[in-house]
Amino acid sequence: DAGVTQSPTHLIKTRGQQVTLRCSPKSGHDTVSWYQQALGQGPQFIFQYYEEEERQRGNFPDRFSGHQYPNYSSELNVNALLLGDSALYLCASRVLTGNYGYTFGSGTRLTVV
Amino acid sequence: AQKITQTQPGMFVQEKEAVTLDCTYDTSDPSYGLFWYKQPSSGEMIFLIYQGSYDQQNATEGRYSLNFQKARKSANLVISASQLGDSAMYFCAMSRGGTSYGKLTFGQGTILTVHP
Repeated sequence: DAGVTQSPTHLIKTRGQQVTLRCSPKSGHDTVSWYQQALGQGPQFIFQYYEEEERQRGNFPDRFSGHQYPNYSSELNVNALLLGDSALYLCASRVLTGNYGYTFGSGTRLTVV
Repeated sequence: AQKITQTQPGMFVQEKEAVTLDCTYDTSDPSYGLFWYKQPSSGEMIFLIYQGSYDQQNATEGRYSLNFQKARKSANLVISASQLGDSAMYFCAMSRGGTSYGKLTFGQGTILTVHP
């Protein structure tokens, strides 16, 4: 049973560019959350998607946007990249009405140069 | 707002010994959930244990137990019989509503090193 799959695993972008990160949730999971983890820090919540809608959002600017598809997979888009956007981006999925466990992917490490 | 504090940047333990990782939290919500995750160098966050704010007993999962002291707002993780594979970053996190419905708020983490 595959867990959460994220792609790509690593990415290098230039300041000002745009990036799209992808997440396929664990089978049976319908809710996807995205987190940003700077080096040496704990993950910070970006937003959560359920039924193709953004349900909750953390303290991130509008440059960060997302999407969820009917098959529950999700994308995180970041526009006008800044050096400070360099981080590990983690996707987590769960069943909204199920048990309490989030399943995390291994993340996408984004480096902005 | 919810806040998690992990005051131990790094901890060392001898293989086969027990270790306690500290976590204190702050919230005004009457119902909340507390989690511990392990993050090895690969980056994946691995769920270890969960404690609901209304759970009467401390949670246990194999070698992991959560020492929940509600009045002190602490949720320390105890790892018994440490193994070399336990070396990793450990994060304490919380959510609202007693489940992981909604966002998780994480602490800064504690790096655990297990010595042979």
